Amino acid sequence: SQELEQSPQSLIVQEGKNLTINCTSSKTLYGLYWYKQKYGEGLIFLMMLQKGGEEKSHEKITAKLDEKKQQSSLHITASQPSHAGIYLCGAVNAGNMLTFGGGTRLMVKP
Amino acid sequence: KAGVTQTPRYLIKTRGQQVTLSCSPISGHRSVSWYQQTPGQGLQFLFEYFSETQRNKGNFPGRFSGRQFSNSRSEMNVSTLELGDSALYLCASSLGTADGYTFGSGTRLTVV
Repeated sequence: SQELEQSPQSLIVQEGKNLTINCTSSKTLYGLYWYKQKYGEGLIFLMMLQKGGEEKSHEKITAKLDEKKQQSSLHITASQPSHAGIYLCGAVNAGNMLTFGGGTRLMVKP
Repeated sequence: KAGVTQTPRYLIKTRGQQVTLSCSPISGHRSVSWYQQTPGQGLQFLFEYFSETQRNKGNFPGRFSGRQFSNSRSEMNVSTLELGDSALYLCASSLGTADGYTFGSGTRLTVV
C-alpha cells in the first residue's frame, strides 16, 4: 500500500516566519492533496496537485509536486496565528484509495 | 451549497454495544469515503462507496461495515464496540478523484 511520510511531525514558528512541510511517498504519486485540520474538526481542502512540477498558491500558502522525487512540499510565507493547525497530505493510489500521511502539527507564536 | 453533513456530532457508547453513524454527501456526489482518526494511528481509510457499491476497503476488522443508499447517503456501523474504537470518524464525498474530496465535521465516538 502507498505510504506517505510527513516531516516535520510538529513545528513551532514565530509569527511572520516562513515554513515548509514535506510529504514523501513510497510509491508513484497520481495526485497529491493538502488539507488543514483544526483539532477535533473536519479537514479543510487546501490544494490538489496532479502533474509533476505543478505548483499552486492560495493566499500565503504554496504547494509544489516533485513527481520524480515522489515528494510534495507546502510552504507558508509570513505565518500568522490563523495558520495554526494540523496539515495533512493525502494521495490517491492506483486503486483509487485516498490515504494520508501522519500530519504536521503547526503552532504559530504571536 | 450544503456541505457534507455527519450525524451525530458526539456519541458515547458502552463496550459491547453497536453504533451507526450517518453521512450525507454534497448533492451530486456519488462517492463517499469513511475514515477513522486517532492520536496514535492518525487518519486511516475505512471504506469507500460509489453508487451503492463498496469500491475499496481498508484494513479494519469485520465489525466495521457500511452501506450507501440510492440517494448517496451513507452509514457506517460498528458492532461489539471496543475501547479502542474511540475516535473521530470522518466521511468525505467526491465527484471523482480529480475534483477533490470534501470532508464533514466528523462524529466523535467515545466508548466507555
